[in-house]
Order: sequence, then C-alpha cells, then structure tokens
Amino acid sequence: DADVTQTPRNRITKTGKRIMLECSQTKGHDRMYWYRQDPGLGLRLIYYSFDVKDINKGEISDGYSVSRQAQAKFSLSLESAIPNQTALYFCATSVAFGELFFGEGSRLTVL
Amino acid sequence: AQTVTQSQPEMSVQEAETVTLSCTYDTSESDYYLFWYKQPPSRQMILVIRQEAYKQQNATENRFSVNFQKAAKSFSLKISDSQLGDAAMYFCACWDNNDMRFGAGTRLTVKP
Repeated sequence: DADVTQTPRNRITKTGKRIMLECSQTKGHDRMYWYRQDPGLGLRLIYYSFDVKDINKGEISDGYSVSRQAQAKFSLSLESAIPNQTALYFCATSVAFGELFFGEGSRLTVL
Repeated sequence: AQTVTQSQPEMSVQEAETVTLSCTYDTSESDYYLFWYKQPPSRQMILVIRQEAYKQQNATENRFSVNFQKAAKSFSLKISDSQLGDAAMYFCACWDNNDMRFGAGTRLTVKP
C-alpha cells in the first residue's frame, strides 16, 4: 500500500459543484501539503499544515479550503468548482527539512 | 519567495548517452535545499536527488549527479548512460523557510 493515499484518483465534475479531495498518510509525518500541477507551470502550493491545529495558505489558496482531521488526514475542498480549477492535484508529506513524499495525484476535470 | 527556472521545456537523448538538464534558482535564504524530482507517465512524483546548500560536494545517486554552482545559483542534473525508463518530466525544486517551489519542468525523451 502507498504511504500517501489520495482519493479519488480521477474525477469529472460540473461547474458549481462542491468537490473534496482526500489524503491520508501512514508515514507518521506532521507536515502535509496540497499542490496543484498545471502544464508549463510546475507544481504550486495551495495549502499546508504543520500539525492538526496549524493551517497555512500557500501561493494559490483562493477558491480552495482545507481540513486537517487528524495527523494522518488532510482534505482539500473546492466549494464551487470552476473550469480553471481543472488540474492534477497532489498531496504530500514531509519531515522538517525539505524532501516531500507525494501521493499518486488526483486528476480533476471541471466541465 | 524563492523562484526556480527551468529553461528547457523539452530535451531528448539517445539511449546510453549523457544528458544535462538545467535549473537556476533565486533565494534570499542562506539555508536551503535543492531537489530534482522525476514524474514518469504514471504521474507519481519520485525524488531523484537532493543537495543541501551548505555542502560544497555535488550529490550523486548512481547514474544521476548534479552540478551545484552556489554563486551562480545553478543546479543542473546530469543523467549518464540514459535508459528508456528515464523518459519523464523532471522538476527542479528549491526548499527554504518551510516553502518548496518548483520549476515548470523539462520533458525528457529517450530515443532507442
């Protein structure tokens, strides 16, 4: 089993729908992240959390919200999805210095 | 915030040959880490190599090595004896001050 698990792996939805992407990890790391990948732009940070009571906005947080339900669980929500949120979304974990451990990605298409 | 630039959107290499992927970065921090990640068609992000900025010695991992030029803020990745399985997107990344920034990526094609 993967150390960082994302669900769903793929999702197609319609404009205006609420979407939740879930992430769980068995690595025991305190730090968790949500990134978005777009062609030609690389990965950009949406939100990050250093523990259950710590949530921080990243570079592109507008239109997104997160919930850290437990040390091992970190969910990303799109309250009202729009087409330009079509992207590949990654959850990641880390220890204090740098190296990220990624989930397998969730491809979201908003029609 | 730091920035990371990969100026080569696409590169190709013949199997068994050597290829170098370029990366430049900019950070105001003195303590930072640099990474190369590989993303094959499976879309999984896989760490290739990491470099601590305070270390002068270039990191190596089997066929993968870096040329870390701190003053020039350059961090290139050299792949020796290229294999078909090396075909992927490669992302350069810089971590400082609890923030990881990625370049736009370089797509590497390996020709048999």
